[in-house]
Amino acid sequence: DTAVSQTPKYLVTQMGNDKSIKCEQNLGHDTMYWYKQDSKKFLKIMFSYNNKELIINETVPNRFSPKSPDKAHLNLHINSLELGDSAVYFCASRHKGHGYTFGSGTRLTVV
Amino acid sequence: GDSVTQMEGPVTLSEEAFLTINCTYTATGYPSLFWYVQYPGEGLQLLLKATKADDKGSNKGFEATYRKETTSFHLEKGSVQVSDSAVYFCALSDQTGANNLFFGTGTRLTVIP
Repeated sequence: DTAVSQTPKYLVTQMGNDKSIKCEQNLGHDTMYWYKQDSKKFLKIMFSYNNKELIINETVPNRFSPKSPDKAHLNLHINSLELGDSAVYFCASRHKGHGYTFGSGTRLTVV
Repeated sequence: GDSVTQMEGPVTLSEEAFLTINCTYTATGYPSLFWYVQYPGEGLQLLLKATKADDKGSNKGFEATYRKETTSFHLEKGSVQVSDSAVYFCALSDQTGANNLFFGTGTRLTVIP
């Protein structure tokens, strides 16, 4: 049973399109996150969200928006995709007092 | 703000060599410290962690000690194997309500037979 699952694993799309990446965790964790890993393997927090508060990294363009239908899901929606959005996106979850669990990543390629 | 500075790679070692990957941090308060590993084509896995000064995290032969006086959390392994080839990330968890993880730039390790 996968603890944090992301879909799709690979996503190739054209510039200007709108796409979503889904994330689900079955751990009962309180907080979920999205991280972006660029081509140099640098990881950067994009969002953190629990059922009370969404915290957005101020450097994230407003084309990116997290959507949480319930506590177990935090999807990432991206509008008007740009070439620079190509990266690997990781979802993660965490419960207070415990460590983080990461999904296996979604490799997004914008052409 | 909080940040992590990690030794840049790539690092190439022969099997059974000694490994050190340096990591220092800047943080307010008392962060928790982590090492994550990313094997080729896979996601991030927690390797080890330490939550307070002088704690030593260990797993799979890897060790790191939380040194508050030098603000360091260097990763070491006495004898690396080919299967240790991966990218290693040092990270800290801030003390805000969100407990965000801040990562270093990652160090790619290649172990050759």
